Amino acid sequence: DGGITQSPKYLFRKEGQNVTLSCEQNLNHDAMYWYRQDPGQGLRLIYYSQIVNDFQKGDIAEGYSVSREKKESFPLTVTSAQKNPTAFYLCASKKGRTDTQYFGPGTRLTVL
Amino acid sequence: GQNIDQPTEMTATEGAIVQINCTYQTSGFNGLFWYQQHAGEAPTFLSYNVLDGLEEKGRFSSFLSRSKGYSYLLLKELQMKDSASYLCAVRDSNYQLIWGAGTKLIIKP
Repeated sequence: DGGITQSPKYLFRKEGQNVTLSCEQNLNHDAMYWYRQDPGQGLRLIYYSQIVNDFQKGDIAEGYSVSREKKESFPLTVTSAQKNPTAFYLCASKKGRTDTQYFGPGTRLTVL
Repeated sequence: GQNIDQPTEMTATEGAIVQINCTYQTSGFNGLFWYQQHAGEAPTFLSYNVLDGLEEKGRFSSFLSRSKGYSYLLLKELQMKDSASYLCAVRDSNYQLIWGAGTKLIIKP
């Protein structure tokens, strides 16, 4: 089946620890995105990548890092520098510039 | 700055019709999207408008007026499963999506 997968669905970490969220797609999409969603707010763009080995900061990149070593994979690391990491994290992808973005199921991160 | 406004919450009755409005001010315009998001789940694509007018897709329709910076999503024959948040997003001049905060739609029997 083609789609976007994110794992795990729920993640708990202690404050001060780095954590990496997985995002994989087998849709042959070129562009991939990471968003953060907080209650009562719209989706906010963290990082995006339009091709392998290249990525750009979004509106709230501080405290996060990414890599794009393979077309299928775009992992997001939430570092200890991120002040309020507890949120719902969504990965999305699309084929071309004018195409629609499709989302993975999301990972809910809770930092204790 | 860039801004997208939607009502925070709306309530409607099963079987009725509801219209969810979205107004936007963005740097450039390359299309407007509506997504549905059930609680705890990912957004799913509903509709796309890039030209003025109405796009109909089953029970859902979406309208766009570029000159007014305005769109609406019309849901007919409401069902309980339509209880969800509806997100409006505009693709700007850089082909990035700018998102509204979403409208939570509550359907009552």
